[in-house]
Order: sequence, then structure tokens, then C-alpha cells
Amino acid sequence: DAGVTQSPTHLIKTRGQQVTLRCSPKSGHDTVSWYQQALGQGPQFIFQYYEEEERQRGNFPDRFSGHQFPNYSSELNVNALLLGDSALYLCASSLGFAGTNYGYTFGSGTRLTVV
Amino acid sequence: DQQVKQNSPSLSVQEGRISILNCDYTNSMFDYFLWYKKYPAEGPTFLISISSIKDKNEDGRFTVFLNKSAKHLSLHIVPSQPGDSAVYFCAALRSGGGKLIFGQGTELSVKP
Repeated sequence: DAGVTQSPTHLIKTRGQQVTLRCSPKSGHDTVSWYQQALGQGPQFIFQYYEEEERQRGNFPDRFSGHQFPNYSSELNVNALLLGDSALYLCASSLGFAGTNYGYTFGSGTRLTVV
Repeated sequence: DQQVKQNSPSLSVQEGRISILNCDYTNSMFDYFLWYKKYPAEGPTFLISISSIKDKNEDGRFTVFLNKSAKHLSLHIVPSQPGDSAVYFCAALRSGGGKLIFGQGTELSVKP
């Protein structure tokens, strides 16, 4: 049973460019959340998708956008990249919009470096 | 506004002894608290959780204690093993919220 799959594993982009990260949720899960983890910090919630709609959003600018597809997979897009966007981007899947207290499964993340 | 805080960036413990990781929070509306363990190049893995209506939850070598009046929780690992060496994150969740609020993490090193 595959867990959460994220691609690519690593990525290097130039300031001002755009990037797309991808996530396939764990089998049986229908909700995807994205987190940004800067070096030395805990993961910060970006947004959550359920039924192909953004259900919740954290304190991130509009440069961060996402999409969820009918097969529950998801993309995170970041436009006009800044050096400060360099981080590990984690995808977490769960069953249902509200989730449970322990129903989140995380992927291994995509390490984005902006130069 | 950091709603969940882990004030110790690192902790070193001898194998076989107890590891105590601490976490403080400010929002009294949180309904669940969770601990995650993270190895390098892997995503966080769920370890143990506690509901806000409980004060203790135990699972094998891992016990989480919650002190609501102090807005403080702690994770006890007994006995500590070298394989426990990892970064531990405390996280909080409101029912129906779906958003995990993480602390900064504590890097635990268990020496043989």
C-alpha cells in the first residue's frame, strides 16, 4: 500500500521563476494539505484541498496556489519565486476534510532551492 | 504569533535513560495534541496523540502528559534507544479544523 508520494525530490530554481510540485495521496485518502518547512523550523500550513476545492488557507501570499484533481492528487504552484521560498515542501493526506487527530500521512517532501 | 512552542532545539540522552521533550501552547481551543518524529530525508511520522480532555496517554515506551492549566505537554520516552534519535515535533489541532500547528522541533540524540 503506497503512502504519500511527492515529486520531484529535489529542485533548483532561479529567483522569479515558477515551480510546480506534485503529490499523490495515500490510497483511500481524499484530502491533501501542503506545508512549508524552512530550515530549523516546524512545518507551516499552506492550504488544504478537499473535493477539488481549497478548504483552508494559511498565512501565505497569493503567489502560492494549488489544485486538486479528480483522482485526489494535488499540485502546489509557486510563482515569482523568492530566495525565502527555499524550503522543504511537505504534502500530507487524510480522509475527510476535518481529518482526525492522527489520520495524517506525510510524504518525504520536495526540497526546493531558489538561487 | 507562535501558538505552539518547543523551546529546546536539542536534547542529548544516554541510552536506557528517560528522554523528556517539552511543548507549550497558547491557544486554549486546541482539541488534540500530536507528536511526530522525523528522520532526515523523510516526512514526519505520527508517534502518539492526546485529546484535550485527557491528561495522559501511553503507548509502549512513549507517554504524553498534558497540563491544560499550564498549557504544557511533554513526551516521555522510556527507555531511550539510539534508534529514537530524530527530530520530534509537537503539533496541535482543532476539531473540524484540519490544520496542524507545529512547534519548531527538538532534535533528540540518544548516545549508546
